Amino acid sequence: EVQLVESGGSLVQPGGSLRLSCAASGFTFSNYEINWVRQAPGKGLEWVSYISSSGFTSFYADSVKGRFTISRDNAKNSLYLQMDSLKAEDTGLYYCATMTDYWGQGTLVTVSS
Amino acid sequence: QPVLTQPTSLSASPGASGRFTCTLRSDINVGTSRIFWYQQKPGSLPRFLLKYKSDSDKQQGSGVPSRFSGSKDASTNAGLLLISGLQSEDEADYYCAIWYSSTWVFGGGTKLTVL
Repeated sequence: EVQLVESGGSLVQPGGSLRLSCAASGFTFSNYEINWVRQAPGKGLEWVSYISSSGFTSFYADSVKGRFTISRDNAKNSLYLQMDSLKAEDTGLYYCATMTDYWGQGTLVTVSS
Repeated sequence: QPVLTQPTSLSASPGASGRFTCTLRSDINVGTSRIFWYQQKPGSLPRFLLKYKSDSDKQQGSGVPSRFSGSKDASTNAGLLLISGLQSEDEADYYCAIWYSSTWVFGGGTKLTVL
C-alpha cells in the first residue's frame, strides 16, 4: 500500500522554526519528484516547494523563499521541510505530494503567540 | 491578474453534467499547458482526478471514473473539467493546477453543490 505520512507539525511562535518530515512507503520514492503543498484553514491549496527525484533541484514559492528549505533522503525514503522565521500566515495543513496519485494526510502547523 | 482563475461556485442537479473552467492568464497559452485537476471533500486530502494536455496526452487518476474528463477551450484560453451524471457524492471543491515558470500554481477552487 502506498503511503505518505507527514509529521512534525505543531504550535510555534512567530519567528520560530519547525522541521516537517514525510515518510514514504509502497512505491519507489527515489523515482519521484515531490512537493510540499499547504492549505490555510478554510482556504484553498497553495504550493510551497518542489524537489527533484535526485534532490539536486528545488524550487520555492515566493512567499517562503529564503525561509524554507526542502530536502530529501532517498535512502530513508523521506522528504523534509525546514521552516525558519515562521509567520502567522504560514499556519495551515502541510501535505507532501507527488501532484498525481500520492498525497499524504497532512501535518498541522500553527504559528501563533 | 492571477495565473489561474476559477469560478467560486457551481450548482447542478443530480444526473446533469458539470463543467468546470480554469482560465489561464492571457500570456499563458492553454494549448501548450498541461492542466491538472483535483477534488477535495470537506475534511479530506486532495484527490488527483486527471491531467490533460490533449486527447493524446492525458492521464486519469487511479480509480477515477471515466465520467470525469478533461478538455480545453482555446477560444477562452481555459482548461475544462467535465463531470457527467453528477451524483451527490461529487459535492466537493475542485482545483486546477499547472506547472508554470518552475512553480506549481493552483486556481482558487470551485465549490460544487449538487441539488
